[in-house]
Amino acid sequence: GEDVEQSLFLSVREGDSSVINCTYTDSSSTYLYWYKQEPGAGLQLLTYIFSNMDMKQDQRLTVLLNKKDKHLSLRIADTQTGDSAIYFCAEFGAAGNKLTFGGGTRVLVKP
Amino acid sequence: KAGVTQTPRYLIKTRGQQVTLSCSPISGHRSVSWYQQTPGQGLQFLFEYFSETQRNKGNFPGRFSGRQFSNSRSEMNVSTLELGDSALYHCASSQDNQETQYFGPGTRLLVL
Repeated sequence: GEDVEQSLFLSVREGDSSVINCTYTDSSSTYLYWYKQEPGAGLQLLTYIFSNMDMKQDQRLTVLLNKKDKHLSLRIADTQTGDSAIYFCAEFGAAGNKLTFGGGTRVLVKP
Repeated sequence: KAGVTQTPRYLIKTRGQQVTLSCSPISGHRSVSWYQQTPGQGLQFLFEYFSETQRNKGNFPGRFSGRQFSNSRSEMNVSTLELGDSALYHCASSQDNQETQYFGPGTRLLVL
């Protein structure tokens, strides 16, 4: 079955780069996503990558996909205090029209 | 375009009651999915509707049900509420057969 895993916590200094990692098990995933959730809020779509791509850049965000190792990462350049949130990795397509989420990585940005 | 809207935003119920949550998708989106988020289980898929038909269903008991109307608005219902149903319920919409899902603000349900 499908499974998505993430590390629980990341602490980073303001201005540094953050790298959040994710692994997934099902190679039939078609799209992989990153969502951001701030306290008490819904999920905000940050970016996504199609499974036949290696990299996607979107302003301060860079997504890297290693399909052979089933490893996805999100790099946030010049991390700001407003980037403090929980980040969820999700895959789509392995089991029908649904998203399967990782457990989320809590990112704390220190001034 | 307006985003996905969910009503109510907060809800308190007692065990044994039933509850109905509502979701209005982004204009033009015909697919609506529901997810439950709890501290213990994380984000889990409940069901997905497209053109008033349930296309996919997650591993939840029959107490959880949903429907979609001809205008793509969707409702989910939970009957005989249990304490463990306390959660943040997310609705997400996407275009016809497209994979990118946009989420609403969520409905926080507390069961006492």
